Amino acid sequence: DTAVSQTPKYLVTQMGNDKSIKCEQNLGHDTMYWYKQDSKKFLKIMFSYNNKELIINETVPNRFSPKSPDKAHLNLHINSLELGDSAVYFCASSQRVGALYEQYFGPGTRLTVT
Amino acid sequence: LAKTTQPISMDSYEGQEVNITCSHNNIATNDYITWYQQFPSQGPRFIIQGYKTKVTNEVASLFIPADRKSSTLSLPRVSLSDTAVYYCLVGAVGTNAGKSTFGDGTTLTVKP
Repeated sequence: DTAVSQTPKYLVTQMGNDKSIKCEQNLGHDTMYWYKQDSKKFLKIMFSYNNKELIINETVPNRFSPKSPDKAHLNLHINSLELGDSAVYFCASSQRVGALYEQYFGPGTRLTVT
Repeated sequence: LAKTTQPISMDSYEGQEVNITCSHNNIATNDYITWYQQFPSQGPRFIIQGYKTKVTNEVASLFIPADRKSSTLSLPRVSLSDTAVYYCLVGAVGTNAGKSTFGDGTTLTVKP
């Protein structure tokens, strides 16, 4: 059983389109995250939810909108995609909020905007 | 929030011991130090965590000096499969600690 799963694994789309990435964790964790990793391997946190409540909202364009329907799911919707949005997006979860708790990462979604 | 600094890249050969140092000068009293490993085309995974002195597990050792302003991840006798990016993360618990960001990562290349 995959602990943290993401769909799709690859996403190729054109500028201006709207797309969504889905994430699910079966670990019973309270906290979930979205990270963006660019081509230089920099891993930047975008959002974090704890018990379905948004607790971290870093400086991210408002074209990005996370949604957590329940503790086990955290989806990311992106409107009006731009070339600069091309990256690998990782979902992660941890038992509680904070770096003290081990984060479990999904396999990533490689988004390519053309 | 503690900012971390790591070398961008390191090269090593199979069988050698590799030490990767992370600087975190403004680490807070409650902060822990955690290291993650990321293989190509995979998400990062937890390797080791510590607060002070030395921690060892089956994968690595973590050395933290008394002032805790730096930490060193030690990989004994590396193999080709240890080629990966290694991230240092400093933080504790609570909402603000959840903002702890990963360092820029150290790309370790192990050569035969």
